[in-house]
Amino acid sequence: SQKIEQNSEALNIQEGKTATLTCNYTNYSPAYLQWYRQDPGRGPVFLLLIRENEKEKRKERLKVTFDTTLKQSLFHITASQPADSATYLCALLTNMEYGNKLVFGAGTILRVKS
Amino acid sequence: DGGITQSPKYLFRKEGQNVTLSCEQNLNHDAMYWYRQDPGQGLRLIYYSQIVNDFQKGDIAEGYSVSREKKESFPLTVTSAQKNPTAFYLCASSTTGPPRRTGELFFGEGSRLTVL
Repeated sequence: SQKIEQNSEALNIQEGKTATLTCNYTNYSPAYLQWYRQDPGRGPVFLLLIRENEKEKRKERLKVTFDTTLKQSLFHITASQPADSATYLCALLTNMEYGNKLVFGAGTILRVKS
Repeated sequence: DGGITQSPKYLFRKEGQNVTLSCEQNLNHDAMYWYRQDPGQGLRLIYYSQIVNDFQKGDIAEGYSVSREKKESFPLTVTSAQKNPTAFYLCASSTTGPPRRTGELFFGEGSRLTVL
């Protein structure tokens, strides 16, 4: 069966450290993988997208890697800050009969302590 | 500012009642989506629409209905047939223009429905 798995346990790190979040998938062949940030009681906000032929993508303090052999994406936040505390969702783009569909993982909670 | 507006933010419903959640966007996006979010689970697709007057069932459409009479609006009705409607509902939109294949979604702030 198709699955997207993110760490169900919250990740607690100290301010200034690098946070690394994992997204693993099985039985998908996504053309794109996306990461979103979600704050409590709010809608997700798009952060980064990486294509299947890209190994790494960066945006300011964020870095995403995509290994289609391992079927895994890693999401890094360098020099983390308490304001980075949120739930981070990964999503795969798959094809539907009409348009495209994003399939989401359950998300990982990140807590950055000062 | 362009964006997606969902209302109401919080809604309480008695068993057996239908309720309608509103979703309006002014991003000029063709595609709109409804997702449901439950604790510990990924967002699950309820319905989606690529163009006006057309919509398709997602993975968990049973007990829900939608309409797409205007490009800007995509209301979701949670019917009494939905067995477990208490959840956080998210509306989203995306462009179907040239960046379409990337599938980036723009989400509203969500509506939390509680069945009493």
